[in-house]
Amino acid sequence: KQEVTQIPAALSVPEGENLVLNCSFTDSAIYNLQWFRQDPGKGLTSLLLIQSSQREQTSGRLNASLDKSSGRSTLYIAASQPGDSATYLCAPEKGGGSQGNLIFGKGTKLSVKP
Amino acid sequence: SAVISQKPSRDICQRGTSLTIQCQVDSQVTMMFWYRQQPGQSLTLIATANQGSEATYESGFVIDKFPISRPNLTFSTLTVSNMSPEDSSIYLCSVVSPLNTEAFFGQGTRLTVV
Repeated sequence: KQEVTQIPAALSVPEGENLVLNCSFTDSAIYNLQWFRQDPGKGLTSLLLIQSSQREQTSGRLNASLDKSSGRSTLYIAASQPGDSATYLCAPEKGGGSQGNLIFGKGTKLSVKP
Repeated sequence: SAVISQKPSRDICQRGTSLTIQCQVDSQVTMMFWYRQQPGQSLTLIATANQGSEATYESGFVIDKFPISRPNLTFSTLTVSNMSPEDSSIYLCSVVSPLNTEAFFGQGTRLTVV
């Protein structure tokens, strides 16, 4: 059974810092991996999708890497801003043709202080 | 990206009653997914809904408790039946892009059972 762990569970940083969020998963037989942010009381916003043949993806100040063999992914946020405050969720997609079946971690709650 | 509308956004219900949650997508999709996020927990897939066939439920979820309809390629409903306080959660609808398997989520329905 796939288990996803996100470290740290919570993080508070001053504005402008670069930071790394970590995600590990127990079953390396995944199809792809997606990072989301969840704002309080709201749904999920897709940030980055790393497909099975890729090792990293970049969007603006965000960079996500994927190492399937070691069961790890990291999300790097450059020059953090108060608007980045949210819970960040890592979700590998279950392999074996289970398209859309995402396994979620509990997330990292990020607070960026002005 | 897909635009997903969920209704209602929140509700407070009496135990023993049922609530039907609606999910509307702005484009035709083959599969729609329903997730549950219990307080302090990670998102868990309830079921996958295909148009024209019965939904496929994950372990621990049954049709009698969570009946799902999928009448066409842009709409689905999830009913939470005979509710108890343990059903208090956020329920989210999701679709997957046919282009790159990126998952998109609705804003969620926050359900409180009293």
